[in-house]
Amino acid sequence: GAVVSQHPSWVICKSGTSVKIECRSLDFQATTMFWYRQFPKQSLMLMATSNEGSKATYEQGVEKDKFLINHASLTLSTLTVTSAHPEDSSFYICSARRAGDSNQPQHFGDGTRLSIL
Amino acid sequence: QKEVEQDPGPLSVPEGAIVSLNCTYSNSAFQYFMWYRQYSRKGPELLMYTYSSGNKEDGRFTAQVDKSSKYISLFIRDSQPSDSATYLCASVLSGNTPLVFGKGTRLSVIA
Repeated sequence: GAVVSQHPSWVICKSGTSVKIECRSLDFQATTMFWYRQFPKQSLMLMATSNEGSKATYEQGVEKDKFLINHASLTLSTLTVTSAHPEDSSFYICSARRAGDSNQPQHFGDGTRLSIL
Repeated sequence: QKEVEQDPGPLSVPEGAIVSLNCTYSNSAFQYFMWYRQYSRKGPELLMYTYSSGNKEDGRFTAQVDKSSKYISLFIRDSQPSDSATYLCASVLSGNTPLVFGKGTRLSVIA
């Protein structure tokens, strides 16, 4: 149980393109999902907290107009990198926690490797 | 000062060795403590999850939490080459709050 699926796993696109990444909780409902960014050989950096049915909460320094988050259902959150540029190239990872039980840990997707040319 | 401190290593051990990974944290309000394993180009995989001081064992893995000294440990017995990965400790205030990660320790188990 507690499987989180992330799609796509790898995307290469041209500068200026917008890219959407999906995060799905496959066998549980998640009122809260988190989006992280990870650079090589570094730890995960929290970008934003995604809440079902409400606006996401962004960490300081993360542009909300650049990284659009939508959490329209209890099993799906999306991150859209708008007008992506080479400096947005990174490994993006989402996590989700089972709704209704504050003792449950977060489970992570397998990440999306984004390469902007 | 970062809230969760972890030596990034790298740590290299021979196959079969006992591995000890450690973290310290500064926020006494943290309630839950986790260890994740992350292989290259993959997302973190939950290994251990505890919320009280003491030991928790799962197969070759033992997680230890000492809330009085704010110390978290993960022990790996009979280490295998497949254990080679980055190990991340994490703490959290409550279920709906974000995890606070350590930097991660890169472990290599040499056959």
